[in-house]
Amino acid sequence: EVQLLESGGGLVQPGGSLRLSCADSGFAFNSYVMSWVRQAPGKGLEYVSVISGGGNTIYYADSVRGRFTISRDNSNNRVYLQMNTLRDDDTAVYYCAKGSTVVRPFDYWGQGTVVTVSS
Amino acid sequence: EVVLTQSPGTLSLSPGERATLSCRASQSVSSDYLAWYQQKPGQAPRLLVYGASSRATGIPDRFSGSGSGTDFTLTISRLEPEDFAVYYCQQYGGTPLYSFGQGTKLEIK
Repeated sequence: EVQLLESGGGLVQPGGSLRLSCADSGFAFNSYVMSWVRQAPGKGLEYVSVISGGGNTIYYADSVRGRFTISRDNSNNRVYLQMNTLRDDDTAVYYCAKGSTVVRPFDYWGQGTVVTVSS
Repeated sequence: EVVLTQSPGTLSLSPGERATLSCRASQSVSSDYLAWYQQKPGQAPRLLVYGASSRATGIPDRFSGSGSGTDFTLTISRLEPEDFAVYYCQQYGGTPLYSFGQGTKLEIK
């Protein structure tokens, strides 16, 4: 059974930084595209960023470009989201998700980690 | 930019009834790259349908997707108690790369 486990969430002040991590217990991690999707309290889903299996193709949503950085460590089956210059509207549950290619939906999701940006 | 609009916002039905959820795109969705997800309170979304009409692994056949271009539909033929949840459509491969509809809440009448 594929399991994605996020960590690193917490309370941070506006302007601060946080690094999220997602561990994948599945096989052939480097064959999968990994993404971050977030959901603000009581709101819908918002794509944040995606990284290809080899790490050479990366996309960001306009709302986070220039502030967030996605990366992956294929030797440890992990994907990361470095979040800088955090704003109140970055408050959300952050989900890690995987798919077979960039042009595919998200087949598997983690349970999410909560990020709260507040003074 | 592809914007997805779901309707209705809330759908109130009883178990055993048929549910029809709509997702309309502001421009044609390339190659029918349209997916549907189910999300229950406190849980992550679950993929139901991809490619507009293909069921994901393990999804019961009471769930079916249809449509093309700009108009898509998720149909649940006979509602089970566990089907009451929020449903999202998603396009992938367009501009932006991914976008979601605002969701339809399916509640028990």
